[in-house]
Amino acid sequence: GQNIDQPTEMTATEGAIVQINCTYQTSGFNGLFWYQQHAGEAPTFLSYNVLDGLEEKGRFSSFLSRSKGYSYLLLKELQMKDSASYLCAVVDSNYQLIWGAGTKLIIKP
Amino acid sequence: IAGITQAPTSQILAAGRRMTLRCTQDMRHNAMYWYRQDLGLGLRLIHYSNTAGTTGKGEVPDGYSVSRANTDDFPLTLASAVPSQTSVYFCASSDRGGGHTDTQYFGPGTRLTVL
Repeated sequence: GQNIDQPTEMTATEGAIVQINCTYQTSGFNGLFWYQQHAGEAPTFLSYNVLDGLEEKGRFSSFLSRSKGYSYLLLKELQMKDSASYLCAVVDSNYQLIWGAGTKLIIKP
Repeated sequence: IAGITQAPTSQILAAGRRMTLRCTQDMRHNAMYWYRQDLGLGLRLIHYSNTAGTTGKGEVPDGYSVSRANTDDFPLTLASAVPSQTSVYFCASSDRGGGHTDTQYFGPGTRLTVL
């Protein structure tokens, strides 16, 4: 079966750095997405990785290792508004998105 | 530009009733999707459409039907609602579907409770 694993919940301090991990086992791989979802709102696009390595976009970076079936989202200089769920999703061999359950990130002052 | 709109925002429905959730996008995207999101589970694809006039089944299609008469609209119908269909429903769209990895953009969601 296809499986995406993320920690259920993480807590971090305002101004700090946090890394949210995602491991996957899917039938094929055509890319990996990270989305942010604030409580009661729609998911919004953060990043897309298809090649190994680190993609940096402002305070957010995303890393991919296809050989290890692993990705992480790195959030720097955390702000209170970063409190949200972070969803990892993999594009499988049928070009369907397989979603993880999400990691709820709690930021404390 | 509104992006994607969904209606209603929330609904409480008696079991056995028929219900249509509406979804409209103004981005001229070819592909549209319906997901349900339940606590502790990832988004699960119900149905999708790669282009107007075509539809396909996702991971959890039973009890749901869709139609795609034009590019902009993609309604989801529950023919006879059951309590297990209580969920938050998200409509999404992407520029292309079927064989492409375009970013999906989501509507605000419909919170449905079936009693």
